Amino acid sequence: GAVVSQHPSRVICKSGTSVKIECRSLDFQATTMFWYRQFPKKSLMLMATSNEGSKATYEQGVEKDKFLINHASLTLSTLTVTSAHPEDSSFYICSARSPGLAGLTDTQYFGPGTRLTVL
Amino acid sequence: GEDVEQSLFLSVREGDSSVINCTYTDSSSTYLYWYKQEPGAGLQLLTYIFSNMDMKQDQRLTVLLNKKDKHLSLRIADTQTGDSAIYFCAESMDTDKLIFGTGTRLQVFP
Repeated sequence: GAVVSQHPSRVICKSGTSVKIECRSLDFQATTMFWYRQFPKKSLMLMATSNEGSKATYEQGVEKDKFLINHASLTLSTLTVTSAHPEDSSFYICSARSPGLAGLTDTQYFGPGTRLTVL
Repeated sequence: GEDVEQSLFLSVREGDSSVINCTYTDSSSTYLYWYKQEPGAGLQLLTYIFSNMDMKQDQRLTVLLNKKDKHLSLRIADTQTGDSAIYFCAESMDTDKLIFGTGTRLQVFP
């Protein structure tokens, strides 16, 4: 259980275009999803927290007009990179928080990631 | 501020034990996690420990927590080639914001 998918797994686009990445929780409902960005050989940096039915909460330094997040349902959150530029090239990973089993903490389960390359 | 550090690289022989270390600075951390990332993939939760525990064992994995020194370690017994990956420790005060370490690349050779 607790499977999170992302689509697409890999995308190459031209500079100036917008790219949408989907994150889905396949076998559970996630009221909260998270978007991370990972630079080569670096750690994951939290970009924003996405709550179903409300506006996303962005981390300091992340442009909310650049990285649009929509959490339209309990199983789907989307990240749109608007007017992408080469510096936006990165590995984007989402996670979804699954309610913990009795006595256990809630846990974040991660998607497989989306590699974005902007030419 | 919050800071989580790991050594960048560890190389072990197949069958030996691996110990991956992590230090953190936020003493208010409630949960500490270990994640595994294989090439080009997302993160797989391996195990986690509450801050009021000092040890947790799960099959080949043993997590040790020294809260006084803010030091967390992951021991993998009988390391296999399939264990080769990047291992991230992470801390959080709640289950929302995870602060990740820099990751340790584990290479297992025959």
